Amino acid sequence: DTGVSQDPRHKITKRGQNVTFRCDPISEHNRLYWYRQTLGQGPEFLTYFQNEAQLEKSRLLSDRFSAERPKGSFSTLEIQRTEQGDSAMYLCASSLAGPGYGYTFGSGTRLTVV
Amino acid sequence: AQTVTQSQPEMSVQEAETVTLSCTYDTSENNYYLFWYKQPPSRQMILVIRQEAYKQQNATENRFSVNFQKAAKSFSLKISDSQLGDTAMYFCAFMNPLNTGNQFYFGTGTSLTVIP
Repeated sequence: DTGVSQDPRHKITKRGQNVTFRCDPISEHNRLYWYRQTLGQGPEFLTYFQNEAQLEKSRLLSDRFSAERPKGSFSTLEIQRTEQGDSAMYLCASSLAGPGYGYTFGSGTRLTVV
Repeated sequence: AQTVTQSQPEMSVQEAETVTLSCTYDTSENNYYLFWYKQPPSRQMILVIRQEAYKQQNATENRFSVNFQKAAKSFSLKISDSQLGDTAMYFCAFMNPLNTGNQFYFGTGTSLTVIP
């Protein structure tokens, strides 16, 4: 297992375009998380899945954002009609279910909206 | 909601010396978990150390140790014998196991530079 993989590493898009990011978690991990990190800030929770079910969404996740995890494997995060304020690092992490497990993070996708 | 505060945006330390990074948090819970994560430049976040609040003994991992003061809600990270590879952003994080998703609350980070 090569850890948590995210694709692409970098994405530059024009305002108003749609973008989609992919995350492949560690195969044994049934929980998958999406966080957003802006410059000078710690990561902020966006949403998480347990297996294929999306169980929680942050208020940060506006209607333009949607996430899926078909069959409980990889996950995608789509942002529609991107805005400059969406520019950030989008981090994916996975973990085992249960209290106190730390996350394994991916390297992130850096989105720049121009 | 829980808050995590890291009051030192930047720190530096000479190679082989010891440095302590501060973290305080606010919670009304009695049982929770605290973590330190390291984020090297342009690389992924990795777990440094983990502390369970119901354990009084401070966690240690090789050159990394914590000073957990539950009453003061303080969770500092001590790095001994600092190495150049320790240069990174360090994030303190809080997890409440009663949150069904094990969501983390992160501080704003401390940028540590190890000087040769």
